[in-house]
Amino acid sequence: AQSVSQHNHHVILSEAASLELGCNYSYGGTVNLFWYVQYPGQHLQLLLKYFSGDPLVKGIKGFEAEFIKSKFSFNLRKPSVQWSDTAEYFCAVRSGNTGKLIFGQGTTLQVKP
Amino acid sequence: NAGVTQTPKFRILKIGQSMTLQCTQDMNHNYMYWYRQDPGMGLKLIYYSVGAGITDKGEVPNGYNVSRSTTEDFPLRLELAAPSQTSVYFCASSYSSGGGSNTGELFFGEGSRLTVL
Repeated sequence: AQSVSQHNHHVILSEAASLELGCNYSYGGTVNLFWYVQYPGQHLQLLLKYFSGDPLVKGIKGFEAEFIKSKFSFNLRKPSVQWSDTAEYFCAVRSGNTGKLIFGQGTTLQVKP
Repeated sequence: NAGVTQTPKFRILKIGQSMTLQCTQDMNHNYMYWYRQDPGMGLKLIYYSVGAGITDKGEVPNGYNVSRSTTEDFPLRLELAAPSQTSVYFCASSYSSGGGSNTGELFFGEGSRLTVL
């Protein structure tokens, strides 16, 4: 069965620090990859997505992610975090033709001002 | 466009009661999903539907039922509520399953927080 693993469950950073959140998936075929963000009390919103082409994808709010097929990874990065980035971040993968996404456990990011 | 609308936002149930979480979308999306979110567990897929009249089980379907009589609506029913069903439930929809230039991005509702006591 497909699975998604996020290595960091809780990350605490100071403003202006760099961020990298790890995401690995288990599936050998063609995949679509996503990062979603959930701000406190809100629903999930799409940060960025990869489906083909350039493995370095840029999303909203200065986030980017790199797809490394050989490592089955899709890590999320941001050079300089802000207090407003405090949220929970979810990596998700889709394969097959049902459209359903499999989510990782989520990473809670706390940015201290 | 309202997007994906879920009701109710909050509900407290007693063990053994039943209820239906409503979900409707106005984007003419074929694909709809129900997820539950538990702390430290991420989102788990309960049921999904690829079109009106078609539903299928996800990762954690036990204790739930769904129906899809129209493209817009995808209600989730709990027949005999149990404390293990205390969770936040998210409905989502997508235009397609992805492929080509369409990644099948999921659009989420605001969630329904259910407590079973």
